[in-house]
Amino acid sequence: DAGVTQSPTHLIKTRGQQVTLRCSPKSGHDTVSWYQQALGQGPQFIFQYYEEEERQRGNFPDRFSGHQFPNYSSELNVNALLLGDSALYLCASSRLAGVYTGELFFGEGSRLTVL
Amino acid sequence: KNEVEQSPQNLTAQEGEFITINCSYSVGISALHWLQQHPGGGIVSLFMLSSGKKKHGRLIATINIQEKHSSLHITASHPRDSAVYICAGGGGSEKLVFGKGTKLTVNP
Repeated sequence: DAGVTQSPTHLIKTRGQQVTLRCSPKSGHDTVSWYQQALGQGPQFIFQYYEEEERQRGNFPDRFSGHQFPNYSSELNVNALLLGDSALYLCASSRLAGVYTGELFFGEGSRLTVL
Repeated sequence: KNEVEQSPQNLTAQEGEFITINCSYSVGISALHWLQQHPGGGIVSLFMLSSGKKKHGRLIATINIQEKHSSLHITASHPRDSAVYICAGGGGSEKLVFGKGTKLTVNP
């Protein structure tokens, strides 16, 4: 049983470009949350997807958007990249209310560098 | 606003030592998670606490709801325990609010 898989693992972009990151949740999970982790900081919540809808959103600009597909996999899109978008982007997989059940699984992350 | 504060920021120990990492959280957090992050970046969930105490192997997590404080203890520490340990809280929503993490180094 595969856990949470994220792709790509590393990528380099230049300012102004757009990026798409992908996440496949653990089998049986229907909820995907995305987090941004800057160097030396704790992760920050971007948004959460359930039943192909964005359920909650953190304090991130509209340049950050997402999508969830019928198979529960998810994409995070960032437009008009800024240097400050350089970070590790983490995907967390769960069933709904996983924050309160403790059944929460994270991927290895996608490390984005913006030059 | 949910907030989580961890201490210490960095911790160095000798193999075999007993280790404690502390976490204080704000009103509104009802589920407290302890997570482990290795240098590659992946995060592993260790415990989720809403009350009491949990134990898994050499790891023990406790929570005091009245004082809004949780601790993660590692007994008989080993170099393979070296990692960043993160406390995160959830309350009223599905999002987790993370502390900045404690970088633990256990020397042989």
